[in-house]
Amino acid sequence: QKEVEQDPGPLSVPEGAIVSLNCTYSNSAFQYFMWYRQYSRKGPELLMYTYSSGNKEDGRFTAQVDKSSKYISLFIRDSQPSDSATYLCAMTPYSGGGADGLTFGKGTHLIIQP
Amino acid sequence: DTGVSQDPRHKITKRGQNVTFRCDPISEHNRLYWYRQTLGQGPEFLTYFQNEAQLEKSRLLSDRFSAERPKGSFSTLEIQRTEQGDSAMYLCASHAPTGPDTGELFFGEGSRLTVL
Repeated sequence: QKEVEQDPGPLSVPEGAIVSLNCTYSNSAFQYFMWYRQYSRKGPELLMYTYSSGNKEDGRFTAQVDKSSKYISLFIRDSQPSDSATYLCAMTPYSGGGADGLTFGKGTHLIIQP
Repeated sequence: DTGVSQDPRHKITKRGQNVTFRCDPISEHNRLYWYRQTLGQGPEFLTYFQNEAQLEKSRLLSDRFSAERPKGSFSTLEIQRTEQGDSAMYLCASHAPTGPDTGELFFGEGSRLTVL
């Protein structure tokens, strides 16, 4: 079993829909959780950063962390075609990436249909 | 452009050749990371520098791989005697743990390696 599991998709939804992306993990030491967006042939860019459990909202994006279930989610409201990309969850026991770097999921390929 | 810069963006080489990638991090970022990403996978950690010191290396980093960060500024990643399994995107990221530590790693556009 990999440390971080993420459904690779593709996930295809119509424009305007609410999108739910998820990751599960096995390492209870993970404390810092991130969501990155990656467009084709580009580097990942940080969308959301959360420490420990709880919710965090930023515009159309909401990140949730449930450490008791080892489950994290990213919700995208009012999805736009420009949201079409691969979404990567990442996590680490340490702030700033730490000495071992981030552990990433495989990424979910999201397609927003106009 | 003050982001993380990587060069070259794409390198095609024959098996057995050596290749070198360069990363220029964001100015004053003291932490620099190298990751490898293959098709359909998330990035995998390779190695990490704090200033000029290489503090951690993944078991993925075989003895054919070497990374340096002289003077704590730019970094190079060299792969010797390339194999077809080395074909991947090599990503560099930098981080500055100053002030409220957001933990954000800033990634470059990556250097894509194709080994024929």
